[in-house]
Amino acid sequence: QSALTQPRSVSGSPGQSVTISCTGTSSDVGGYNYVSWYQQHPGKVPKLMIYDVSKRPSGVPDRFSGSKSGNTASLTISGLQAEDEADYYCCSYTGSYTLLFGGGTKLTVL
Amino acid sequence: QVHLQESGPGLVKPSETLSLTCTVSGYSISSGYFWGWVRQPPGKGLEWIGSIHHSGITHYNPSLKSRVTISVDTSKNQFSLNLSSVTAADAAAYYCASVGSSPPHYFDYWGQGTLVTVSS
Repeated sequence: QSALTQPRSVSGSPGQSVTISCTGTSSDVGGYNYVSWYQQHPGKVPKLMIYDVSKRPSGVPDRFSGSKSGNTASLTISGLQAEDEADYYCCSYTGSYTLLFGGGTKLTVL
Repeated sequence: QVHLQESGPGLVKPSETLSLTCTVSGYSISSGYFWGWVRQPPGKGLEWIGSIHHSGITHYNPSLKSRVTISVDTSKNQFSLNLSSVTAADAAAYYCASVGSSPPHYFDYWGQGTLVTVSS
């Protein structure tokens, strides 16, 4: 199983919006509404930001939103802030109780 | 608040078995939920290793299935990971986490992670 495809890096200026894509197949991203997103600052533990494609856990700012179209899921961060600079990973259910992560995207806030 | 803490050797010899334990506090494993392991080689991305239900039902990453065993000890509120025949490619930070929903598909609470080096 190959990792879900994410851009290696994206960047944006403070206040702007950025979107990170996560592309899979009809057997994972496209087949289930079970995509989650994680934020990881250097040396830190991953943090759940989005689950079930577009739901936010308590405490996650509403600047973070998720969506899906076909085999591609997306994480959009609006009103970029310096603290958003981190690595972001998507994860999808792939059936039979198995899970698959994306390769990760480094977000740089210019 | 659910708290998870990994423990185990930080150094494992090649060909030997990596063994880690995750101790859960703030929630009884017997109450339900799935529990999982995720690893991250230095400078690389996250990889799901496997998950276990409190009943003992397990699910593994197909790429690691032949070498992985995850078990649960509800009396100690712990679950464990064994990875056999390790090589340098298994060196990573290993995280334990709770896996939410049904089917379990997102990691909501994470341990701090433990770094495992593979070297003779």
